[in-house]
Amino acid sequence: GAGVSQTPSNKVTEKGKYVELRCDPISGHTALYWYRQSLGQGPEFLIYFQGTGAADDSGLPNDRFFAVRPEGSVSTLKIQRTERGDSAVYLCASKGPSTDTQYFGPGTRLTVL
Amino acid sequence: AQSVAQPEDQVNVAEGNPLTVKCTYSVSGNPYLFWYVQYPNRGLQFLLKYITGDNLVKGSYGFEAEFNKSQTSFHLKKPSALVSDSALYFCAVRDGYRGSTLGRLYFGRGTQLTVWP
Repeated sequence: GAGVSQTPSNKVTEKGKYVELRCDPISGHTALYWYRQSLGQGPEFLIYFQGTGAADDSGLPNDRFFAVRPEGSVSTLKIQRTERGDSAVYLCASKGPSTDTQYFGPGTRLTVL
Repeated sequence: AQSVAQPEDQVNVAEGNPLTVKCTYSVSGNPYLFWYVQYPNRGLQFLLKYITGDNLVKGSYGFEAEFNKSQTSFHLKKPSALVSDSALYFCAVRDGYRGSTLGRLYFGRGTQLTVWP
């Protein structure tokens, strides 16, 4: 079966630009999570959606980061005025209603020059 | 506050020997514990989890982990390592109280496992 997919796999942008990262969860999974993994670190939580609403966005580092999930399936993480410190791998995970396991996508590697 | 510690950045073991990757945790409620593996340029792959029940849990690829409540540990083990097990391993925890952290995982920094032939 299809797993979690993320596009693009790699994104290179210039400081100050706007980027969008997309996550397509496993079909039927109502919970969706975004994490950020910096070099040499474990993933760090950014935001969690239950359905269409953001149930917990306390991990977003500042107001340049925003995420949406308008139809309860695909989610987009949006970063405004990118900074070099935003360079990282952005991971998306989804979870079904009858499990505690989060399944991760391959990630988007963001490089801000 | 929830946290995970993986005290070893690297573990090296010869093929065929047993391996252990260590993990300790801190959580306010009952812990839900997970191990994930990451291969280069890939996402995290789920290996196994402890939610409740038997302290020894078995997972994918012959891996197992033992939950020890008194030592707040959840070490990953395999009786006989393979070269193909070489990868980055992450331990993660979430609070089992559903009303608190709403399911976010807290990860350790990861342990690089190298199995040499």
